[in-house]
Amino acid sequence: DIQMTQSPSSLSASVGDRVTITCQASQDISNYLNWYQQKPGKAPKLLIYDASNLETGVPSRFSGSGSGTDFTFTISSLQPEDIATYYCQQYDNLLSLTFGGGTKVEIK
Amino acid sequence: QVQLVESGGGVVQPGGSLRLSCAASGFTFSSYGMHWVRQAPGKGLEWVAFIRYDGSNKYYADSVKGRFTISRDNSKNTLYLQMNSLRAEDTAVYYCAKEKQLGTFDYWGQGTLVTVSS
Repeated sequence: DIQMTQSPSSLSASVGDRVTITCQASQDISNYLNWYQQKPGKAPKLLIYDASNLETGVPSRFSGSGSGTDFTFTISSLQPEDIATYYCQQYDNLLSLTFGGGTKVEIK
Repeated sequence: QVQLVESGGGVVQPGGSLRLSCAASGFTFSSYGMHWVRQAPGKGLEWVAFIRYDGSNKYYADSVKGRFTISRDNSKNTLYLQMNSLRAEDTAVYYCAKEKQLGTFDYWGQGTLVTVSS
């Protein structure tokens, strides 16, 4: 299986701060990477697909980049409603889809 | 609008069985692959199973292979997950999810909780 390593596992930032989360794959996955947001008690929501494509209706302060094994997810200006856990997910191996461990984002 | 509504969760003893359902609406169900994804209490997301739009291909996580069976009834717009030989480590919220493209989930249900406990 392809292992996805996310960091940090949690972070605390102020409203308006730039927030960056990284995700590293255990092997080359090209751009077959998605990012999801999950708020407490809710289902995950797709934010970014194909590493850098913004899902329809998602605010432009969210962005993604990277290819191969190293990926980055950025919130350009953290808002109170962005408090959530964020997950990366690879789909290079369609027989075994895997998620990163998650990054919990809190407001300082 | 797209809606996915899971049902069938509950408390079951180790070794028992349970069948989850996911009723879909708001899109052409028979045109999309569907997945089950689970989340143990306080833990991260784990992909469980996939079924192709026409039911011709099914893939499973190693942790459930041989115990769980994914199926669908396109005439009823419903996805299923038959879970047998349940273990304590299967305790989780189970989500059904629609594919946007291969391996990408664009809509999720609200989840149904399965608790395996004696």
